[in-house]
Amino acid sequence: QQQVKQSPQSLIVQKGGISIINCAYENTAFDYFPWYQQFPGKGPALLIAIRPDVSEKKEGRFTISFNKSAKQFSLHIMDSQPGDSATYFCAAKINAGNNRKLIWGLGTSLAVNP
Amino acid sequence: NAGVTQTPKFRILKIGQSMTLQCTQDMNHNYMYWYRQDPGMGLKLIYYSVGAGITDKGEVPNGYNVSRSTTEDFPLRLELAAPSQTSVYFCASSAYRGPSEKLFFGSGTQLSVL
Repeated sequence: QQQVKQSPQSLIVQKGGISIINCAYENTAFDYFPWYQQFPGKGPALLIAIRPDVSEKKEGRFTISFNKSAKQFSLHIMDSQPGDSATYFCAAKINAGNNRKLIWGLGTSLAVNP
Repeated sequence: NAGVTQTPKFRILKIGQSMTLQCTQDMNHNYMYWYRQDPGMGLKLIYYSVGAGITDKGEVPNGYNVSRSTTEDFPLRLELAAPSQTSVYFCASSAYRGPSEKLFFGSGTQLSVL
């Protein structure tokens, strides 16, 4: 119930294509869903995040789609660029009193070919 | 602004040796975290702190210790290094632990125990 399942494990996309990474969860107590981007040799950095009261959030070429009934959310990268090549982590947070936990997906390694 | 600074960047230890991974932040954040990242395994929380003098265990605390004497510093201590502690360690901080928490990560320490 505390897991966040992320897929695919790795993804190769051509420049200009759309990259799609999916995450699924079981626990309905999750109420915040961030995506972090990690470049080699660096720590993760917050990319975009969504609350469950909205179905979509867009920031530039990055969009989160959220399906509350299916307990799924996904990251879409439009017009993917070689500079987007990185590992992407989805996460989900519980904010119940003292039980404030951020549960991480296992990550997706994205390679965008020029 | 330096953000979250971790030292050293790389370290090789022999089994049974001890060491301290240093983490300091200059953003006056109350909340600090230590994660370990193993290939394909995502991020696992080792310890966290909600303020100076207050620390608590995360998912994988065995073999580690922490202290938080100041707001800025949150060192992680390995007392008797074991090969299972070979990993990349990330320190993170945040200003707000609520629903929209944003974590700021350091660049990591790559540790090998041989």
